Amino acid sequence: SAVISQKPSRDICQRGTSLTIQCQVDSQVTMMFWYRQQPGQSLTLIATANQGSEATYESGFVIDKFPISRPNLTFSTLTVSNMSPEDSSIYLCSVARGGRTDTQYFGPGTRLTVL
Amino acid sequence: SQQGEEDPQALSIQEGENATMNCSYKTSINNLQWYRQNSGRGLVHLILIRSNEREKHSGRLRVTLDTSKKSSSLLITASRAADTASYFCATGERGGSNYKLTFGKGTLLTVNP
Repeated sequence: SAVISQKPSRDICQRGTSLTIQCQVDSQVTMMFWYRQQPGQSLTLIATANQGSEATYESGFVIDKFPISRPNLTFSTLTVSNMSPEDSSIYLCSVARGGRTDTQYFGPGTRLTVL
Repeated sequence: SQQGEEDPQALSIQEGENATMNCSYKTSINNLQWYRQNSGRGLVHLILIRSNEREKHSGRLRVTLDTSKKSSSLLITASRAADTASYFCATGERGGSNYKLTFGKGTLLTVNP
């Protein structure tokens, strides 16, 4: 398994501002992912954070709204830009280790409320 | 898009009873996984079953996979109050150079003491 931490654990933000969420892993991992979980809903993949290259975004998500950084094999950030109340969600990062990308290990999540 | 669809959406049982949750999916998969989430926190991986497997056990968990029906079930035996959580199935696909999981809507399990 992997030990994953996220900062902040929760935040309340004003409309129009931006928030950067950090994801730290205790060891080097090949793949890191960012998910959004809207209230009472399931998880939706936002993007795959690739080390040394641009993130790969899923349909419906764009880099201008959710810029992602992956400076090394243990760290990634997700920024939620120009927030609106519709961005209120739990944001989770996950990692897949080594050559076995099947199982993903999740961070504790960041609960974001936008007023 | 959502691939896995769990049913029931909510399940309430007494401690000691068994809980069965089902998942259906639409496309071909490499594997199917089950995760647990407590109170809107991070997900915990429970078990993975590959497309060429039919049944798998892990402690009190039993997972079956029927690729002809595109369905899976998760059985939790002798449930405990601590099993109260949301359970999600997720299907593993390979897309380009990235590996993606597509999650179902989840089943909220409540185990009453």
